[in-house]
Amino acid sequence: QVQLVQSGAEVKKPGASVKVSCKASGYTFSNYYMHWVRQAPGQGLEWMGTIDPSGDFPTYAQKFQGRVTMTGDTSTRTVYMELNSLSSEDTAVYYCARACGGGSCYGRFDPWGQGTLVTVSS
Amino acid sequence: AIQMTQSPSSLSASVGDRVTINCRASQVIRNDLGWYQQKPGRAPKVLIYDISNLQSGVPMRFSGSGSGTDFTLTISSLQPEDFATYYCLQDYSYPPTFGQGTKLEI
Repeated sequence: QVQLVQSGAEVKKPGASVKVSCKASGYTFSNYYMHWVRQAPGQGLEWMGTIDPSGDFPTYAQKFQGRVTMTGDTSTRTVYMELNSLSSEDTAVYYCARACGGGSCYGRFDPWGQGTLVTVSS
Repeated sequence: AIQMTQSPSSLSASVGDRVTINCRASQVIRNDLGWYQQKPGRAPKVLIYDISNLQSGVPMRFSGSGSGTDFTLTISSLQPEDFATYYCLQDYSYPPTFGQGTKLEI
């Protein structure tokens, strides 16, 4: 079945960086972009950016420009999201979610990874 | 960025009730709207895409409607497992944006 498996929880100090991975299985990896979405504790969902499978064409939310890097590796079917200069406001669960692969599937992010909790604390 | 305004922000209902959740976009978004359900500690799950297409495996008591800027998620007869938080999402234009969520409580 189509599945996204993310890396484990991280604890980081302010100013550090974190890199979260998302490994895909069960579909043709090269045919789908991947979104990254985060959710702070008790808050809503926030889109961070999108990456193509090979990592050549990232699109980032303006809020994270200059601080986020998304990459992809078709050989390992894995995408990565690296966030720099962490502060306590970056404490959140980070999700990867597969984008629509074409055709009529607008508004559909599916499936989602299980989420990776990133805690930023001194 | 397109703003998505959901209402209500919370809703109390009972098993068997019919409930509706609304989402208004700050501009026309064509068909590019989906609805998501999220339970505590879990990733969101898509229920509806393209305004009204039911995701495979989702019960038929869930339905979506609307056009232009105004959209509705309807649950025809609430089941115990439906108590969760619901979000709308537009991806008509970048950045994709979510509504602020509607918490459906017993």
